[in-house]
Amino acid sequence: GAGVSQSPSNKVTEKGKDVELRCDPISGHTALYWYRQSLGQGLEFLIYFQGNSAPDKSGLPSDRFSAERTGGSVSTLTIQRTQQEDSAVYLCASSPFGGNEKLFFGSGTQLSVL
Amino acid sequence: AQSVAQPEDQVNVAEGNPLTVKCTYSVSGNPYLFWYVQYPNRGLQFLLKYITGDNLVKGSYGFEAEFNKSQTSFHLKKPSALVSDSALYFCAVREKTNAGKSTFGDGTTLTVKP
Repeated sequence: GAGVSQSPSNKVTEKGKDVELRCDPISGHTALYWYRQSLGQGLEFLIYFQGNSAPDKSGLPSDRFSAERTGGSVSTLTIQRTQQEDSAVYLCASSPFGGNEKLFFGSGTQLSVL
Repeated sequence: AQSVAQPEDQVNVAEGNPLTVKCTYSVSGNPYLFWYVQYPNRGLQFLLKYITGDNLVKGSYGFEAEFNKSQTSFHLKKPSALVSDSALYFCAVREKTNAGKSTFGDGTTLTVKP
């Protein structure tokens, strides 16, 4: 596709369940980012992938959060044993190389934990 | 560590008046600086960036920003505001020597009244 694609667009889950969020970056983009946007808050960095390098996981809030990127393309963010405070919009972004390149954002996944 | 401060949660201006949205940053070395805009129910879009060179950067939709190294600021400006400029604006910084994650501010809601 022409842009960054995220699925699902909305996810409602019960507390304690696991969820998987998917991101398809723009073809050819080597850098991929996950951010979290809570209501009334800014963008919170979660994790960054660049090519075949080890990801920067410094923003993951707890060990319930993990992410992988298969084949240098699609990425999945997994949240285990969801909590109500995990409710937020999860945004994925990609860029050609990282560095001074701008980020291209997807429309996000709205996660609601009941 | 890098950080961004957007000191105003809300900026209100009348249509036709100039607007300024403030941003200050902190990085260990030299910065890459970005502004993004988020319109209601839409994803974040890139507005402009400062990489090097001229301190005044021009971007999309008539916006510009001025890099001030001594004040560590990168304020967003527009000479004449439009009602359609009403949106949520984010400033972001990335260290040149760590061309990985971008750190975003908490955002400023701009409201332009007719």
